[in-house]
Amino acid sequence: DAGITQSPRHKVTETGTPVTLRCHQTENHRYMYWYRQDPGHGLRLIHYSYGVKDTDKGEVSDGYSVSRSKTEDFLLTLESATSSQTSVYFCAITDRGLVYEQYFGPGTRLTVT
Amino acid sequence: AQSVAQPEDQVNVAEGNPLTVKCTYSVSGNPYLFWYVQYPNRGLQFLLKYITGDNLVKGSYGFEAEFNKSQTSFHLKKPSALVSDSALYFCAVRSNTGNQFYFGTGTSLTVIP
Repeated sequence: DAGITQSPRHKVTETGTPVTLRCHQTENHRYMYWYRQDPGHGLRLIHYSYGVKDTDKGEVSDGYSVSRSKTEDFLLTLESATSSQTSVYFCAITDRGLVYEQYFGPGTRLTVT
Repeated sequence: AQSVAQPEDQVNVAEGNPLTVKCTYSVSGNPYLFWYVQYPNRGLQFLLKYITGDNLVKGSYGFEAEFNKSQTSFHLKKPSALVSDSALYFCAVRSNTGNQFYFGTGTSLTVIP
């Protein structure tokens, strides 16, 4: 988890409210990713970023948006939270190049009631 | 389509015995393969990777994995299991033509004292 922090670590929110999760890195890595982890599904990619203001969708992007205005910060926003978005969310970073492994943050447990 | 399969949700092994956690993959282009471990309430930690070269790769904590191109497999192994190896293990693949990682659904390993 070194060099990557996520905030908040736990959040309970109500259906229909907006929620923003923050990932902050001190490693100056180019690539940043948001995943959700659910039982039986493993990790599924929501969105990723390959540079400041450069983002792309993953396999489960519906209902989520992202922004990256600085190298060190990658924000995930649920515009109107739904119960199906109750999950554990992980941020990950990768060094430049395709052969490098990812390093993961500690996760954010989000509950939508 | 890129995908990873971990056919066993749960693997139990006695302490001191060898362990194997299975992974097969499907990817266009050349695969970059990774194993990660997750302890309770933690993010994923990198164990080892195969990029090119020797089919047997060695990683952290005495783990190793064998890349088999003809069987499209990348099984994780350890000669002698420890109780502290009990955790959730994820296999991941990345194509040499893309930015995304694809994860399996995870295998829960329990080492019985």
